[in-house]
Amino acid sequence: EAGVAQSPRYKIIEKRQSVAFWCNPISGHATLYWYQQILGQGPKLLIQFQNNGVVDDSQLPKDRFSAERLKGVDSTLKIQPAKLEDSAVYLCASSPRTSGRVFSDTQYFGPGTRLTVL
Amino acid sequence: AQSVTQLGSHVSVSEGALVLLRCNYSSSVPPYLFWYVQYPNQGLQLLLKYTSAATLVKGINGFEAEFKKSETSFHLTKPSAHMSDAAEYFCAVSAGGGADGLTFGKGTHLIIQP
Repeated sequence: EAGVAQSPRYKIIEKRQSVAFWCNPISGHATLYWYQQILGQGPKLLIQFQNNGVVDDSQLPKDRFSAERLKGVDSTLKIQPAKLEDSAVYLCASSPRTSGRVFSDTQYFGPGTRLTVL
Repeated sequence: AQSVTQLGSHVSVSEGALVLLRCNYSSSVPPYLFWYVQYPNQGLQLLLKYTSAATLVKGINGFEAEFKKSETSFHLTKPSAHMSDAAEYFCAVSAGGGADGLTFGKGTHLIIQP
């Protein structure tokens, strides 16, 4: 079974430029997450999708970050314009089921995209 | 709301010694708890998870953790450290069974001395 795929693996941009990251979850997984991991910290949830709908985007800086999951499969995360403090690893994860306390599902993480903003 | 505190940003043990990584949580509902490991330039890999069944949870690579509600703790242990265990370890909590977003601690860097 193929894992979560992310691209690019590395990206370097100037501040105020735009950037986009792509994620392909494990086949059949209904739930997709984007996390931001700043150096020396644990990952922080940015947005959670269930199929192609947003479940939680309370920590997404909506003035500059946007994300979509068209057709409930692949997802893209965009930053426009980027700031120095956006330098981080952006992790995508997926899990098979919808939310709820009946299930206790594992989130499977991709390798991440390392963004450096100069 | 949930939160996780990992005590010790760096832990150093000798090869063959006991590994103990500490995690305390705060949750307004009965929590689901997880330990993940991250090797350099790789994504997170699940070590083990607590899902309100047995309080002693066994994971991969010889790791285990015990859920203690009275202490709000979920410490990770391994009886004998191997060089290959050197990595970053993250404790995480979820209120929604793991399918909801995870709240992570800041991580503990495990160093194995030969």
